[in-house]
Amino acid sequence: QVTLRESGPALVRPTQTLTLTCTFSGFSLTTRGMSLNWVRQPPGKALEWLARIDWEDDKYYTSSLRPRVTVSTDTSKNQVVLTLTSMQPADTATYYCARIRSGGYTAEAFDVWGQGTLVTVSS
Amino acid sequence: QAVVTQESSLSVSPGGTVTLTCGLSSGSVSTSHFPSWYQQTPGQPPRPLMFTTNSRSSGVPDRFSGSILGNKAALTVTGAQTEDESDYYCVLHLGSGISVFGGGTKLTVL
Repeated sequence: QVTLRESGPALVRPTQTLTLTCTFSGFSLTTRGMSLNWVRQPPGKALEWLARIDWEDDKYYTSSLRPRVTVSTDTSKNQVVLTLTSMQPADTATYYCARIRSGGYTAEAFDVWGQGTLVTVSS
Repeated sequence: QAVVTQESSLSVSPGGTVTLTCGLSSGSVSTSHFPSWYQQTPGQPPRPLMFTTNSRSSGVPDRFSGSILGNKAALTVTGAQTEDESDYYCVLHLGSGISVFGGGTKLTVL
């Protein structure tokens, strides 16, 4: 069974750095075609793709958050970490991790999602 | 970065048919964008509905279908049910590892 679980602080102060962890099970991120992505959703607003790290440790980011955002992986712990610097109230959102398996009928689609974690930016 | 467009809201009568579309500000949507669709209800993560234009995710009723209509990706609900009232999002893959979500469509069934 494939599962994803996000964890991290619920409250962040403005200008601080957010660090979120996605812990996954049921697959290996080193398998060809696998990637893990971060997606966020401000309250009442649309989903926004943020970042992706793939089986070759290649990383991709949305242009709107570069250079504040970085993604990294600890394959020994089955974890992917999102770091977002200089947090502002506009970054208040539910942050999700989601898997993509490139190739096959699910190509480039987010086929498994975590439950998400709400992060509030406030002083 | 390109903008993915969706209708902000649509309504359909129970048993009726409705088509949601997913466009691209920089041109036409094709199967090479691997359009996918997600359904979301309040407080829940998105639920995958449709992969690679027209492949239904496991457990998705066959009243949902995907296609390319003209220069857009489309999600059609044929015989809408009250439980289909949700927000729907499309995603396009723009290459180089970049994905972009549309702004979402709020579907009302009444």
